[in-house]
Amino acid sequence: QKEVEQDPGPLSVPEGAIVSLNCTYSNSAFQYFMWYRQYSRKGPELLMYTYSSGNKEDGRFTAQVDKSSKYISLFIRDSQPSDSATYLCAMKKGNTGNQFYFGTGTSLTVIP
Amino acid sequence: DAMVIQNPRYQVTQFGKPVTLSCSQTLNHNVMYWYQQKSSQAPKLLFHYYDKDFNNEADTPDNFQSRRPNTSFCFLDIRSPGLGDAAMYLCATSRDIGQPQHFGDGTRLSIL
Repeated sequence: QKEVEQDPGPLSVPEGAIVSLNCTYSNSAFQYFMWYRQYSRKGPELLMYTYSSGNKEDGRFTAQVDKSSKYISLFIRDSQPSDSATYLCAMKKGNTGNQFYFGTGTSLTVIP
Repeated sequence: DAMVIQNPRYQVTQFGKPVTLSCSQTLNHNVMYWYQQKSSQAPKLLFHYYDKDFNNEADTPDNFQSRRPNTSFCFLDIRSPGLGDAAMYLCATSRDIGQPQHFGDGTRLSIL
């Protein structure tokens, strides 16, 4: 079993829709959770960085962590065509150490 | 302004011919990383430098080497590229160990 599982999609939604992207993980030691956005032919760009359980909001983006279910989500409100990209989740166990565990990414297309 | 810059963006080399990929950063971050990312796969950490200290991942092939001559620059050397080394190579930096990573736009390597 992979440490981090992410549905690759592709996911297509109409402009203005609420998008929900999800990752599950198997290791309860994960404490730090990240979401990256990766446009085609570009490097990943950090969108959200959260610690432990709870919600974090930044503009149209909300990151949600449910440690009891080992499940994290990224919600995008009022989705725009410019949100079309691959979204990667990543997580790590503690504040030290450089082992980041990435999901394989979910491809999202927002249709005008 | 680009903060993690990778050159070239596209590199074509012949099977077995050494190749060097370059990364520079303007963030003055202590840690620099090299990842390999194949199509629809999660980025795979090859190695990282914390300042001048080199840290190799256990499963990184000996074919892959790295140099960090100063804080700003880091190089990935592939001594004898095989067809399986064709991938996107991503450079990333972080302020310190365990901090979120900032990625460059990658170098897409093709092997003829």
